[in-house]
Amino acid sequence: GAGVSQTPSNKVTEKGKYVELRCDPISGHTALYWYRQSLGQGPEFLIYFQGTGAADDSGLPNDRFFAVRPEGSVSTLKIQRTERGDSAVYLCASSLGPAQETQYFGPGTRLLVL
Amino acid sequence: TQLLEQSPQFLSIQEGENLTVYCNSSSVFSSLQWYRQEPGEGPVLLVTVVTGGEVKKLKRLTFQFGDARKDSSLHITAAQPGDTGLYLCAASRSGGSYIPTFGRGTSLIVHP
Repeated sequence: GAGVSQTPSNKVTEKGKYVELRCDPISGHTALYWYRQSLGQGPEFLIYFQGTGAADDSGLPNDRFFAVRPEGSVSTLKIQRTERGDSAVYLCASSLGPAQETQYFGPGTRLLVL
Repeated sequence: TQLLEQSPQFLSIQEGENLTVYCNSSSVFSSLQWYRQEPGEGPVLLVTVVTGGEVKKLKRLTFQFGDARKDSSLHITAAQPGDTGLYLCAASRSGGSYIPTFGRGTSLIVHP
């Protein structure tokens, strides 16, 4: 079956621009997670959705970052007024439910802010 | 501060050698996970350890959870080039949902 997919695979933008990153979770998975992975680091939690609602957004670094999941499936991570420090790989993962320890990761979107 | 400390950070070895990587913390965890991440891909879960002192084997990989549930190790026997990748340990922050906190990882290269 299809795994978690993320688009685009690569995104180059200029400082100050707005970007949207998309995640398609595994069908039937109610929990969806966004992480950011900088070079030489492990993934860092950003936000977690259970269904349509953001159950935990404590990892979002500031108010330039926002994510939605309006129908409980596809999610979009939105970054306003991008900064060079936002350059990283943005990973999405999904799981069957909130207490499920097995998360399935997508390949990530590599964001480069010039 | 890093909740999970992984060592070594980098490891470059020849095919057939054995190796051990470590994941240490001052915190006690209810469970700990190991992932492998290949270039251009997301992490893939290898194993979850739950019980202090637990040992799990996955082919040539042996995972151990410390008795005090603060640390873990991953041992690879007779490494192969296909083992090349970033090995990450992760533990849940707490609460009813499972949100893992990751270590920095050990980057392993196995040369043929």
